[in-house]
Amino acid sequence: QVQLEQSGAEVKKPGSSLKLSCKASGGTFNNAAFNWVRQAPGQGLEWMGGIIPVYGTTHYTQKFQGRATITADKSTSTVYMEMSTLRPEDTAVYYCARGRWAGCSGTRCYYAWFGAWGQGTLVTVSS
Amino acid sequence: DIHMTQSPSALSASTGDRVTITCQANQDIRNYLNWYQQKPGKAPKLLIYDASNLETGVPSRFSGSGSGTDFTFTISSLQPEDIATYYCQQYDDLPLFGPGTRVDIK
Repeated sequence: QVQLEQSGAEVKKPGSSLKLSCKASGGTFNNAAFNWVRQAPGQGLEWMGGIIPVYGTTHYTQKFQGRATITADKSTSTVYMEMSTLRPEDTAVYYCARGRWAGCSGTRCYYAWFGAWGQGTLVTVSS
Repeated sequence: DIHMTQSPSALSASTGDRVTITCQANQDIRNYLNWYQQKPGKAPKLLIYDASNLETGVPSRFSGSGSGTDFTFTISSLQPEDIATYYCQQYDDLPLFGPGTRVDIK
């Protein structure tokens, strides 16, 4: 059974940076897609970006392009998400989710569904 | 850009009731539509993938249908443990979640 263990809660100052981790156990690491999804307090789910370790390719929504960076360490089956220039509105629970990808065409990959989720990491950005 | 809507935004029903939630995309997303359940303080859980396929271990009272732009999620007989928010998610483009539907028991 796939399990995702995320790093602990963080309190950050506006303008600072963040690096979250997500360690996977069970299941295949290289051939899965790993995603970061965040949820602001009382709000819905927002997909930020993802990585397919077997290709090393990453994709981000326009909102996070240039501010978030997702990487994968195959040797430790760990995925990371770094985000810079934090703002109070980045306060949220950040989830790592492992899922299925449904092929790639050129630079475009289909991040399909998310079958396993981490427990979430609360990030609070406040001065 | 793809936009997703869900209706209703919230509903209240009795135990045993049939509950239906709709999800609509503003363009054809084929059957690239999934459904998740999220209970308060918990991570989401995948229920249905590719519009109508039940994830392993998910009770058969949950079902999904649709293709193109219009999709339906149904709980055939609402149970107290189904109290949650339900989200649709498309992946014809980069993944995008619908705004969610909160389901309560009357």
